[in-house]
Amino acid sequence: NAGVTQTPKFRILKIGQSMTLQCTQDMNHNYMYWYRQDPGMGLKLIYYSVGAGITDKGEVPNGYNVSRSTTEDFPLRLELAAPSQTSVYFCASSYSPGGVSYEQYFGPGTRLTVT
Amino acid sequence: EDKVVQSPLSLVVHEGDTVTLNCSYEVTNFRSLLWYKQEKKAPTFLFMLTSSGIEKKSGRLSSILDKKELFSILNITATQTGDSAIYLCAVADSNYQLIWGAGTKLIIKP
Repeated sequence: NAGVTQTPKFRILKIGQSMTLQCTQDMNHNYMYWYRQDPGMGLKLIYYSVGAGITDKGEVPNGYNVSRSTTEDFPLRLELAAPSQTSVYFCASSYSPGGVSYEQYFGPGTRLTVT
Repeated sequence: EDKVVQSPLSLVVHEGDTVTLNCSYEVTNFRSLLWYKQEKKAPTFLFMLTSSGIEKKSGRLSSILDKKELFSILNITATQTGDSAIYLCAVADSNYQLIWGAGTKLIIKP
């Protein structure tokens, strides 16, 4: 049981480049989330998904896109990287049947630098 | 606008001291409050609180929620250097989203 896995661990992008951050969970969780964490700050929600085929914007969605074709995978796409997207990105998942549990399990994070 | 505010932002104490971390919130449709510990990687879950006045305890860590005054505290007794971390507070709303505080950076000196 690997939990939540993310790839890559580190990445450096040039301005204007695109990339996809991968996230996979093997806990059969229905909810999945993408956060970014800037230095000295808390977590900001980018996008979340309540199940396969359903995604919704969080607090800071601009410049990002997501898809959820399966329960396990929730990739995050950056189309035109900007220096403001330099951050650590965390994927998380939770099992919330009827709103019972809100504990989120986190992946190890991807440190992204845009120069 | 929903918000979660943690205080202090940083704290330096000596090993063996007791610390109290604070989390206040203004969140519409409050469902629960969660505490996480973040070392050099991903946050790890500590406690989830949904009812006022009921203390959650795990070893030297304990937490309590006051839904009338809209705050929670996290206590750590007999601190150890391994307790050094950022402690994050988050509040869950009815949309299953977590609103996060900025965290308290705790440094324990030997």
